[in-house]
Amino acid sequence: KAGVTQTPRYLIKTRGQQVTLSCSPISGHRSVSWYQQTPGQGLQFLFEYFSETQRNKGNFPGRFSGRQFSNSRSEMNVSTLELGDSALYLCASSLEGITEAFFGQGTRLTVV
Amino acid sequence: GENVEQHPSTLSVQEGDSAVIKCTYSDSASNYFPWYKQELGKRPQLIIDIRSNVGEKKDQRIAVTLNKTAKHFSLHITETQPEDSAVYFCAASTLYNFNKFYFGSGTKLNVKP
Repeated sequence: KAGVTQTPRYLIKTRGQQVTLSCSPISGHRSVSWYQQTPGQGLQFLFEYFSETQRNKGNFPGRFSGRQFSNSRSEMNVSTLELGDSALYLCASSLEGITEAFFGQGTRLTVV
Repeated sequence: GENVEQHPSTLSVQEGDSAVIKCTYSDSASNYFPWYKQELGKRPQLIIDIRSNVGEKKDQRIAVTLNKTAKHFSLHITETQPEDSAVYFCAASTLYNFNKFYFGSGTKLNVKP
């Protein structure tokens, strides 16, 4: 079974630009969550999608948005990038219910 | 919302010794507590988890204990090996928040050969 796949692995963007990250969950997993990982703040929850609906949202500004498609693949978008958005963005997929979250390798975003 | 605190931030042990990492949580509704191991440059991977209806769970050299009254849970690694060196994260989740995990700040474990 293929694991969680995130693309791209690395991104360099300029302040003010926008970026879209993609996450393909494990086959059969309908829940996809996104996390921001930084050395100072650790792993912080962005949002969670299940069957194309956002069920939960973390404390991030509206510049961070996401969506989920009917095949459970998810994208997150960050608009008007700031230097502080530089981080590793991880997505995780899970089966329905409170179960183990399987993480992807992450997308390393650098904003210059 | 939930707040998870993790200690220590760094832990250095000699190969063969035991390592203990402790976490506390604030929301009494939290009912699922996973532990993740993240090696340098790699994704976090689940090593053990425990639900609130269980006090202790063991898997070979790894064990987790949960004290619901005190709202704390701990990871115990016995007979540590150099390959146990990594950053370990505890997390908590509640039934009503679905798959929203609150993570601790991480513990960097260094096992010296």
